[in-house]
Amino acid sequence: EAGVAQSPRYKIIEKRQSVAFWCNPISGHATLYWYQQILGQGPKLLIQFQNNGVVDDSQLPKDRFSAERLKGVDSTLKIQPAKLEDSAVYLCASTLPGSYNEQFFGPGTRLTVL
Amino acid sequence: SQQGEEDPQALSIQEGENATMNCSYKTSINNLQWYRQNSGRGLVHLILIRSNEREKHSGRLRVTLDTSKKSSSLLITASRAADTASYFCATIHSGGGADGLTFGKGTHLIIQP
Repeated sequence: EAGVAQSPRYKIIEKRQSVAFWCNPISGHATLYWYQQILGQGPKLLIQFQNNGVVDDSQLPKDRFSAERLKGVDSTLKIQPAKLEDSAVYLCASTLPGSYNEQFFGPGTRLTVL
Repeated sequence: SQQGEEDPQALSIQEGENATMNCSYKTSINNLQWYRQNSGRGLVHLILIRSNEREKHSGRLRVTLDTSKKSSSLLITASRAADTASYFCATIHSGGGADGLTFGKGTHLIIQP
């Protein structure tokens, strides 16, 4: 079974530039999450999708971050404009609906903002 | 904000010894999960324990949950070099439809050969 795919794996940009990350979840997983993991910390939830609808985006900095999952499969997370403190690994995870299912994580995109 | 706090932050033991990590959390939970993260395999789910369970086993892993103390522990028995990784507890809050995980800061485990 193919896992969660993410691209790019690495990205280096300068502050105030824009960047986008892509995620393709495991086939059949209706629920998709984006997490931000700053070095030395645990992942922090940014947004949760159920199919193409947003379930929880309470921790998404909406002034600069946006995410979409238009067809209920792939998802894109965008940062515009980026700040130095956005340097982190951005993880995508997917799961079957329900709170008792394990989440499957992609390899992440490591973003460095200079 | 982080929900859980793992203890210790770092742990170094000899191969073959047992490793115990603790996790505390703040609010009522639906379930608690443990994940492992290393550079080779990324973030991987290890075990899930529901709020009405007290103990669960999976291979060399044993997890306990004390909801009255809002704490959990992960025991890895007969440790191996491949167990070297960061270990995170993660919780899902009870109530509501959102079930994103709230992670602690992690315990970095080093297994010395």
